Amino acid sequence: QVQLQESGPGLVEPSETLSLTCTVAGVSVTNDYWTWIRQPPGKGLEWMGYVSYSGSSNWDPSLKSRLTLSVDTSKNQVSLKFTSVTAADTAVYYCARLLGGGPFDHWGQGTLVTVSS
Amino acid sequence: EIVLTQSPATLSASPGERATLSCRASQSVGSSLAWYQHKPGQAPRLLVYDASSRATGIPARFSGSGSGTDFTLTISTLEPEDSAFYYCQQRFKYYTFGQGTKLEI
Repeated sequence: QVQLQESGPGLVEPSETLSLTCTVAGVSVTNDYWTWIRQPPGKGLEWMGYVSYSGSSNWDPSLKSRLTLSVDTSKNQVSLKFTSVTAADTAVYYCARLLGGGPFDHWGQGTLVTVSS
Repeated sequence: EIVLTQSPATLSASPGERATLSCRASQSVGSSLAWYQHKPGQAPRLLVYDASSRATGIPARFSGSGSGTDFTLTISTLEPEDSAFYYCQQRFKYYTFGQGTKLEI
């Protein structure tokens, strides 16, 4: 079955770049679209953006200038780079598969990232 | 941005009862709405997509309805394991989520 697992540093300093990886099992990342969603403490879910192996991508307009998403077929991973982070970017970050442009049908368990010095 | 408003914020119910969760969109999203179940520390789980289609492996007691701006997730016979947060999400324009309903059994 399809499984996703996020990994990355739990703590990032303000103004630095957050880098996260999503390791995918059970399906090739060359298929479908892959997305990142975050949830700040005590708040709701926020879609950040999606990417596909073919190069299709889209981002939340408010995050576009800071966000880079990529697909690594050799490792079957999806990656996120998020620049100039602040305390407001503290959140649990989830990766998910975006099925045919429709719903997010498989999710990872999420990884908590705290932005603090 | 399309804003999704869920109600109630918290719903307390007993096993065997019926639960009705609502989601209202700030503008029409057609049938481009999904529902998710989320238990703390776990991966969110897709329940319903395209307003009324049950996802693979989801029990028949979960059903979705609605179109345009008003949507409903109904759990026909509550079980203790249904305690969770429930979120609606639209894909009509970008992707946004409701703020969630906490269901306590």
